[in-house]
Amino acid sequence: SYELTQPPSVSVSPGQTARITCSGDALPKKYAYWYQQKSGQAPVLVIYEDSKRPSGIPERFSGSSSGTMATLTISGAQVEDEADYYCYSTDSSGSHFGGGTKLTVL
Amino acid sequence: EVQLVESGGGLVQPGGSLRLSCAASGFTVSSNYMSWVRQAPGKGLEWVSVIYSGGSTYYADSVKGRFTISRDNSKNTLYLQMNSLRVEDTAVYYCARIDYWGQGTLVTVSS
Repeated sequence: SYELTQPPSVSVSPGQTARITCSGDALPKKYAYWYQQKSGQAPVLVIYEDSKRPSGIPERFSGSSSGTMATLTISGAQVEDEADYYCYSTDSSGSHFGGGTKLTVL
Repeated sequence: EVQLVESGGGLVQPGGSLRLSCAASGFTVSSNYMSWVRQAPGKGLEWVSVIYSGGSTYYADSVKGRFTISRDNSKNTLYLQMNSLRVEDTAVYYCARIDYWGQGTLVTVSS
């Protein structure tokens, strides 16, 4: 079955750049989406269609995709960005989430 | 304002059934592709099912043959009929448009 692979954890200091990767064989042909989930809350879309940012999402969040890898970049990470991040994409068999990456900012 | 409100969760015995509902406002369910996503306690997100605007439906292998997604256009509501429930189906179930999610409803399968 199709898999999206993310690193389990990423850690940065406040003000540094955090990069979270997501690899999947269908990503050259399918869009990647990124969700932020803080403890006890529903997920929030932070990037859609590889690199577009929904209204209300800070400009420090950006996305890119090249080949089989999509990347979420948080430039100048803030303490409030500490959360779990999930990539999401589709293929012919349905939709899929990556396993999630816990971002620690301290 | 877009809102999604799930209901119907609860405690059910293994082998039992539940129907989840997701009442939408601020947009038309039938014009969007709508998904159910679940999250077991302490685990990551798992896609469960999708219904496209044209009516096509797809399911994760883990629920195929047991769960059915549907919608009622007159009520602007999405449903998930869950049969033959297993302990491993225990999770918070979210309904979601790609850009908006509900707050989820907890399903607990236990004897």
